[in-house]
Amino acid sequence: EPEVTQTPSHQVTQMGQEVILRCVPISNHLYFYWYRQILGQKVEFLVSFYNNEISEKSEIFDDQFSVERPDGSNFTLKIRSTKLEDSAMYFCASKGGRRQSDTQYFGPGTRLTVL
Amino acid sequence: GESVGLHLPTLSVQEGDNSIINCAYSNSASDYFIWYKQESGKGPQFIIDIRSNMDKRQGQRVTVLLNKTVKHLSLQIAATQPGDSAVYFCAENRSGGFKTIFGAGTRLFVKA
Repeated sequence: EPEVTQTPSHQVTQMGQEVILRCVPISNHLYFYWYRQILGQKVEFLVSFYNNEISEKSEIFDDQFSVERPDGSNFTLKIRSTKLEDSAMYFCASKGGRRQSDTQYFGPGTRLTVL
Repeated sequence: GESVGLHLPTLSVQEGDNSIINCAYSNSASDYFIWYKQESGKGPQFIIDIRSNMDKRQGQRVTVLLNKTVKHLSLQIAATQPGDSAVYFCAENRSGGFKTIFGAGTRLFVKA
């Protein structure tokens, strides 16, 4: 069964450093998402991406965040200057179609620890 | 404002019993809801969904009920098994599918 993959599984960085979280969505999916989950809390929407542009973003997704689909398979989330409060699990998701009923498939997540 | 939330943070049930997980939402314009299961160390996994033009939908061992009058939905798991132990989130799909708003989550413990 096809699945969303994410690398690395755990990223440790110093405050102020840039990080890039990588995702490989399911092949032939067209809609891509990033979410984050602070330990013990709910999953929070960050951004959705379609046709090489951002479709929707939350208030969390400020100028420190950016997304990119650099090639035909990867989807990345960059945090330019990490803060302690960026420590969380980051989940990538992809969906094949635009319909609400099209299932969103989540990756296993990258745990980001900012020291 | 927008809010999708859960009544109880934890639920403990005996193996074989039925489980009911509840969720409230605040936006009466919400028209599509999803239940996700999240096991430890994994991403959310789709369980079942329901549109606002329905009040009940059944899957394999799971049933979702939607009460639009009181803006409440529930997830019922029949004959709960140890493998059902996880955190369950209700979620709402917004912006034509471009945004999913998650509730706070309920942790389900299944006692053998």
